Amino acid sequence: EAGVAQSPRYKIIEKRQSVAFWCNPISGHATLYWYQQILGQGPKLLIQFQNNGVVDDSQLPKDRFSAERLKGVDSTLKIQPAKLEDSAVYLCASRVAGGTKNIQYFGAGTRLSVL
Amino acid sequence: AQSVTQPDIHITVSEGASLELRCNYSYGATPYLFWYVQSPGQGLQLLLKYFSGDTLVQGIKGFEAEFKRSQSSFNLRKPSVHWSDAAEYFCAVGASGTYKYIFGTGTRLKVLA
Repeated sequence: EAGVAQSPRYKIIEKRQSVAFWCNPISGHATLYWYQQILGQGPKLLIQFQNNGVVDDSQLPKDRFSAERLKGVDSTLKIQPAKLEDSAVYLCASRVAGGTKNIQYFGAGTRLSVL
Repeated sequence: AQSVTQPDIHITVSEGASLELRCNYSYGATPYLFWYVQSPGQGLQLLLKYFSGDTLVQGIKGFEAEFKRSQSSFNLRKPSVHWSDAAEYFCAVGASGTYKYIFGTGTRLKVLA
């Protein structure tokens, strides 16, 4: 079974530029999460999707971050414009509804450096 | 509010020595508890989980953890550490219903040869 796929693995941009990250969850997983992991910290949830609907985006800085999951499968997370403090690893995770309950499966992440 | 505390930022052990990583949580009901490991440049891999039942849970790679409700703890243990165990370890609590995770700040493990 294929895992959670993310791309790109690394991205370097200058502040005020825009950037987008892509995530393809495990097949059949209805729930998708985006996390931000700043160096030295644990992952922090940015947004949670159930199919193509947003369940929780309370921690998403909506003035610069946006995310979508149009067809209920893959998802993109965008930052526009980027700030220095957005330098972090962005992790995508997915979960199947029911079955193994609350287990989230993580992708390898995208490491963003904002200069 | 839910929270997870991992008191040890860094731990260094010798190869072959035993290991215990501490995790304390704050949650109003019975939590779902997890330990994940993150190797450099990698995503998070699930080591083990606790949902209910037996409070001593076994995971992959020879790890185990014990849920102690009275102490609000879920400490991770391994009897004999291998050099390949060097990584960062995260404890997480998951809320029933919303299935949101709250992560601790992590413990970075260094293994001496």
